[in-house]
Amino acid sequence: AQSVTQLGSHVSVSEGALVLLRCNYSSSVPPYLFWYVQYPNQGLQLLLKYTTGATLVKGINGFEAEFKKSETSFHLTKPSAHMSDAAEYFCAVSRTGGGGADGLTFGKGTHLIIQP
Amino acid sequence: EPEVTQTPSHQVTQMGQEVILRCVPISNHLYFYWYRQILGQKVEFLVSFYNNEISEKSEIFDDQFSVERPDGSNFTLKIRSTKLEDSAMYFCASWSLAGGLTDTQYFGPGTRLTVL
Repeated sequence: AQSVTQLGSHVSVSEGALVLLRCNYSSSVPPYLFWYVQYPNQGLQLLLKYTTGATLVKGINGFEAEFKKSETSFHLTKPSAHMSDAAEYFCAVSRTGGGGADGLTFGKGTHLIIQP
Repeated sequence: EPEVTQTPSHQVTQMGQEVILRCVPISNHLYFYWYRQILGQKVEFLVSFYNNEISEKSEIFDDQFSVERPDGSNFTLKIRSTKLEDSAMYFCASWSLAGGLTDTQYFGPGTRLTVL
């Protein structure tokens, strides 16, 4: 069975500050890991994903995440927050590459608040 | 950019009534999915659908749920006799079988179902 834990249902940072959203996973097989973002009244949009290879993954909008197997973590970071980053962020894990018959297992989400 | 659409955006129904939630996946996608998110809880996988049949389903997807692709464009989720606990946001997703960064599920904006 797989599971995802996102620490902090709400994270507040100042504009220009570092963004760090935490995600820990549990998986019985090598995982595929994802971060999705949801803006108000919109669907879930893929930010980045880890499959195999390089453990530091770069995504859209300046976000990146590092897969750390020893810590079972996949934390999301951005060096400098922008007001437009305010949204809900979801970490997810899959046994396969995000497609096929398998569904994604999501965390509860973290609401990112950007203070001016 | 192609997108997954869902209708209606909000559905209110009485307990015991049947509801049908509709989705139009991206046109060349072959796998289709339904997820739900009860307020304050995780996004949960319900079912995946490929080649006109269910590929995989979770324990949530019991006999009161069914899915159908009635024509070449729509993908529906039917809840036969709604319960109060079915109140949630329901997300549809589709997947293309393409590789690379785009090899992931595309999500619709969701339908908020309220059961009274």
